[in-house]
Amino acid sequence: GAVVSQHPSWVICKSGTSVKIECRSLDFQATTMFWYRQFPKQSLMLMATSNEGSKATYEQGVEKDKFLINHASLTLSTLTVTSAHPEDSSFYICSARDQGLAGSQETQYFGPGTRLLVL
Amino acid sequence: QKEVEQNSGPLSVPEGAIASLNCTYSDRVSQSFFWYRQYSGKSPELIMSIYSNGDKEDGRFTAQLNKASQYVSLLIRDSQPSDSATYLCAAGDGGATNKLIFGTGTLLAVQP
Repeated sequence: GAVVSQHPSWVICKSGTSVKIECRSLDFQATTMFWYRQFPKQSLMLMATSNEGSKATYEQGVEKDKFLINHASLTLSTLTVTSAHPEDSSFYICSARDQGLAGSQETQYFGPGTRLLVL
Repeated sequence: QKEVEQNSGPLSVPEGAIASLNCTYSDRVSQSFFWYRQYSGKSPELIMSIYSNGDKEDGRFTAQLNKASQYVSLLIRDSQPSDSATYLCAAGDGGATNKLIFGTGTLLAVQP
């Protein structure tokens, strides 16, 4: 299957700092990427849809000014957690939408995730 | 509210048996369906995708889709302990970005 990478895989930061997480589609172009958050033993929660060249679409209850998303190219989306606090500690996972060739069926692939710990 | 429902399990099967995982979805607009496997502490990994009614086989895995009943299933033949994980069923919402609606996942435990 297609490969999606995330960087960093682990990050520990102090409360009040900002953290940027990168998501890259390595072998396909993705006009759409998605950002999820998952707390221990809970389901995936969609945070926002990242659209190349336009503003992200945030899910209800997700603060767009706290979770800044930039999808500047067809292979890269970034999520910046601004002024991070301990309650933002979680597993952040991106996925990329592979629409395939014209007429083929699309698939969504996940990155390996980024664990954020805010002290 | 678009929903995907799965039995949370745990589903326990002996090694070598067939594991059957089931899922229903609420929105008939959905046209694409996916099964992901998620090991504890890891991100989801795509196992199968299915778009048309009927069966789709890939190795030990078979996905089944019945759009009339709004039902998707995953069969795992010759189950191995390494198959023990949470299996997530997802349906595309049919919108412009085909956002995925996930079930809560079924925990599968394959007993050696």
